[in-house]
Amino acid sequence: DIQMTQSPSTLSASVGDRVTITCRASQSISSWLAWYQQKPGKAPKLLIYKASSLESGVPSRFSGSGSGTEFTLTISSLQPDDFATYYCQQGLTFGGGTKVEIK
Amino acid sequence: QVQLQESGPGLVKPSQTLSLTCTVSGGSISSGGYYWSWIRQHPGKGLEWIGYIYYSGSTYYNPSLKSRVTISVDTSKNQFSLKLSSVTAADTAVYYCARGSTSPDYWGQGTLVTVSS
Repeated sequence: DIQMTQSPSTLSASVGDRVTITCRASQSISSWLAWYQQKPGKAPKLLIYKASSLESGVPSRFSGSGSGTEFTLTISSLQPDDFATYYCQQGLTFGGGTKVEIK
Repeated sequence: QVQLQESGPGLVKPSQTLSLTCTVSGGSISSGGYYWSWIRQHPGKGLEWIGYIYYSGSTYYNPSLKSRVTISVDTSKNQFSLKLSSVTAADTAVYYCARGSTSPDYWGQGTLVTVSS
């Protein structure tokens, strides 16, 4: 089974900061990686698919990159609405999540 | 706009079978092109994929749950369903239905199922 490891598990940042979250796969997964944002009590929201494709309606401050085993989600300028938990996903496996908190 | 809505009992007794239904509106399951998934989230924890189904009935289950899971589809009602047998407290979670398998784009709001006597 492919394992997905996210880091960090928690991230403290301020509005306007550039934020990067990393997801590592235990073996190469080509570009089959998605990123989700989840707020408390809500369903996950798809942000990025196929590693770098921005889902329709998602702000352009979100971007994804990577291939093979290492992937990143970048928020270019953190906004108040972005404080949430972020998950990567490949196949049936989700990463453990990264909680982005207010610094 | 595609919408998904989970329904079913919020409380299930240990050893019984958890049954949930997802009703899809704004799009037809039988039009093809998408798998339809069940995903769960234990309280305060991460996400766990349960499995998915195509309109034809083809299924794929998470190996860790495969022995207890059945996912079915009723295209006439535009619904798909989850059955999880022999539940324990460890199956207490929010259960989501979603459209897609590689990167689900539409999700239901989720329904909390508690396993308790």
